[in-house]
Amino acid sequence: NAGVTQTPKFQVLKTGQSMTLQCAQDMNHEYMSWYRQDPGMGLRLIHYSVGAGITDQGEVPNGYNVSRSTTEDFPLRLLSAAPSQTSVYFCASSSSGFVGPAKRPYTFGSGTRLTVV
Amino acid sequence: AQTVTQSQPEMSVQEAETVTLSCTYDTSESDYYLFWYKQPPSRQMILVIRQEAYKQQNATENRFSVNFQKAAKSFSLKISDSQLGDAAMYFCAYRSVNNNDMRFGAGTRLTVKP
Repeated sequence: NAGVTQTPKFQVLKTGQSMTLQCAQDMNHEYMSWYRQDPGMGLRLIHYSVGAGITDQGEVPNGYNVSRSTTEDFPLRLLSAAPSQTSVYFCASSSSGFVGPAKRPYTFGSGTRLTVV
Repeated sequence: AQTVTQSQPEMSVQEAETVTLSCTYDTSESDYYLFWYKQPPSRQMILVIRQEAYKQQNATENRFSVNFQKAAKSFSLKISDSQLGDAAMYFCAYRSVNNNDMRFGAGTRLTVKP
């Protein structure tokens, strides 16, 4: 089925370890983004990309890196995990722009629950 | 940057009754989109309803409707004939037309009592 696929669904890391959260979409969406969800704070934007080769920072980018080498994939890298990065991470995608009947809703992945100990 | 505020961390409603969830936002833009997303315990984010800022008419989707007050920067969600399956976290979100960025409120947890 078409959509946004996130892997893994769960992960436990030790402080200082690195890892990559994977995100892939098969809808040919130009826009992709990463959010983290923490209790009482909603979803906060980490990084986003408006197309292959283009990325930019959101509200809370520190400690995270991204790249967008293809339209389909938008991985999120934690270079040195910290307990403050314990959260649920969501990847989302949409077509860019607001012209047309689709009104460009986001499609979300199912999330990755990350625990850093 | 735009901010979205949901002032009700928790709400409850009796099954079959109506409940309204509040959302306010801050922006200097004249054109934008507003959304309500539902997040059940499965964690999946589900789009409930959307509103274009340039439209005066309030959006409706079956039992869900919004009260969009542009001048007051208010965007509340009304759920009519509440059902047990409506129990979830509800997030209000603002999307800029300039940068495709979407900002979320902190969420309101809705409980539906049988």
